[in-house]
Amino acid sequence: QKEVEQNSGPLSVPEGAIASLNCTYSDRGSQSFFWYRQYSGKSPELIMFIYSNGDKEDGRFTAQLNKASQYVSLLIRDSQPSDSATYLCAVNEDYGGATNKLIFGTGTLLAVQP
Amino acid sequence: SQTIHQWPATLVQPVGSPLSLECTVEGTSNPNLYWYRQAAGRGLQLLFYSVGIGQISSEVPQNLSASRPQDRQFILSSKKLLLSDSGFYLCAWSATVGQPQHFGDGTRLSIL
Repeated sequence: QKEVEQNSGPLSVPEGAIASLNCTYSDRGSQSFFWYRQYSGKSPELIMFIYSNGDKEDGRFTAQLNKASQYVSLLIRDSQPSDSATYLCAVNEDYGGATNKLIFGTGTLLAVQP
Repeated sequence: SQTIHQWPATLVQPVGSPLSLECTVEGTSNPNLYWYRQAAGRGLQLLFYSVGIGQISSEVPQNLSASRPQDRQFILSSKKLLLSDSGFYLCAWSATVGQPQHFGDGTRLSIL
């Protein structure tokens, strides 16, 4: 069974620190990788997406992808209390080509302490 | 810009009653559409997805069904709800395969 694994946390970081969230996936053919933020009781909100090995930066967020290690991470610089949420990693499921399906991890709860 | 609307926001239904949840997308054409369920404290489970009108793929056999009567309308239904159908139901859309999915605000369904 194809899986996306995340540490459930909680990951506690002080305000202003870098939060590092990690995700591993089992489907070696996956091509698209996404990070979503979900506040308690709310729907997931897209934060970042990455398709190629390496780093992709957007403001305080950096997504890192290593396909050889089947590993994707999200770094949040200058963490703020408003970043406290559950972060979901999602990976497309490969069927030898185009696929519509994402496999979601169960999420990592991030708590930023003021 | 594209927007996705999902209603109702909350719903309380008795066991055995029918269900109809509706989702519509604006500002795009021929989107890929998805229904997910998120049980309390658990991950997102894909229930159905659709790549076009009348085209529905089911991921999990259960007493739910989905329909896409119009290009930007996706409906989740049940004839008889079970206690296990409780959860947070989310509709999502994407422009095409491999593109990010964007979620509606969700419907919190409680079965009594």
